[in-house]
Amino acid sequence: DTGVSQDPRHKITKRGQNVTFRCDPISEHNRLYWYRQTLGQGPEFLTYFQNEAQLEKSRLLSDRFSAERPKGSFSTLEIQRTEQGDSAMYLCASTLAGGTQYFGPGTRLTVL
Amino acid sequence: AQTVTQSQPEMSVQEAETVTLSCTYDTSESNYYLFWYKQPPSRQMILVIRQEAYKQQNATENRFSVNFQKAAKSFSLKISDSQLGDTAMYFCAFMKHELGVYSGGGADGLTFGKGTHLIIQP
Repeated sequence: DTGVSQDPRHKITKRGQNVTFRCDPISEHNRLYWYRQTLGQGPEFLTYFQNEAQLEKSRLLSDRFSAERPKGSFSTLEIQRTEQGDSAMYLCASTLAGGTQYFGPGTRLTVL
Repeated sequence: AQTVTQSQPEMSVQEAETVTLSCTYDTSESNYYLFWYKQPPSRQMILVIRQEAYKQQNATENRFSVNFQKAAKSFSLKISDSQLGDTAMYFCAFMKHELGVYSGGGADGLTFGKGTHLIIQP
């Protein structure tokens, strides 16, 4: 266990529904990342927070995706109007300065 | 943009053998970090080993060591005395080192390779 938790671990939804995932980082970590991992691929960067500020967003993050990190603690990732192509594992990672990121167990999303 | 290439989709070795996983990367950056992460089946990703590009000495962590060739942009992982618990996906990853608000690195996160599925046979 790395100390990073994610909820839920699995989510099955129908196309067009909205879903929200939560990530709780290691408490003293001020940096938080979201990644998406599809089958047979390595994780791909989605977005980055330093404290409560969202400083970077990947081009992978379409308008249907939004992320927040209120008060610089936990973070949420919302996907609106889900599509089958959104089916993936969504990973969260946290870190202090220095580079090593600690990953959560991920939320596996299946869009039917 | 950076790219990371792992050319071995799957490898299988006998327990106690030594195995080397390959990784090459492409970047125009001079200051960066390289990582190997392990993702066991249905379990979370954990760090195996990291290397700062400015360090010439290869990193080692117990049975795990790297061969970092900066000029060749190569970063291979050697696992000695392999164990059944080493069975997992192994990902090579790159991260830029940045200054200012991104101090310590990571404005655009880690760039991963596609991974190598390592199977340790009893």
